[in-house]
Amino acid sequence: EVQLVESGGGSVQPGGSLRLSCAASGFTFSTYWMHWVRQAPGKGLVWVSRMNGDGTTTTYADSVRGRFTISRDNAKRTLYLQMNGLRDEDTAVYYCARSDWRDYWGQGTLVTVS
Amino acid sequence: QSALTQPPSASGSPGQSVTISCTGTSSDVGAYNYVCWYQQHPGKAPKLMMYEVTKRPSGVPDRFSGSKSGNTASLTVSGLQAEDEADYYCSSYAGSGTYVFGGGTKLTVL
Repeated sequence: EVQLVESGGGSVQPGGSLRLSCAASGFTFSTYWMHWVRQAPGKGLVWVSRMNGDGTTTTYADSVRGRFTISRDNAKRTLYLQMNGLRDEDTAVYYCARSDWRDYWGQGTLVTVS
Repeated sequence: QSALTQPPSASGSPGQSVTISCTGTSSDVGAYNYVCWYQQHPGKAPKLMMYEVTKRPSGVPDRFSGSKSGNTASLTVSGLQAEDEADYYCSSYAGSGTYVFGGGTKLTVL
């Protein structure tokens, strides 16, 4: 069974940093593109970032480029999102999702910037 | 990276059909057959309902169908059921490795 479990969310002041993790199981993690998607409270989904299976290719939304860094450790089957320079508007539930179709999603982790 | 345009709400009675539109541009929806649709119930993670415009993942009822014409993609739900009541989001590849979502449509089953 495919499972994605996010962790690392919490409250942080503007300008602060946070690192999110997404632990994967039930599939060959190293062969899949992985995505981060966020959802502000009561708002819609917003694509954040994407990384290929071997970690050599990354892309970012304009709103986070230069502040957020996506990475992965295939030995640990874990995807990361390092978030620096956090702003109020980064407050959201952050989801990790598998593949470019985002066919499986985690339950999300809440990041509050205030 | 402007969001795709979806109607804020849609509704239908049980058994009826409803279509949700998703309008983008010639740089995203119109350029690629990489449109996906997601269903999200309150407090839950999104669920993939359609990918590559018309393909249904295993387990998604065939009451759900997708299409695209020009810069607009659509999701049709036929034979509406109470459990279809949820928020629906479209997403498209937008080139250069980036993606964009729609603003979401709240589907109400009357």
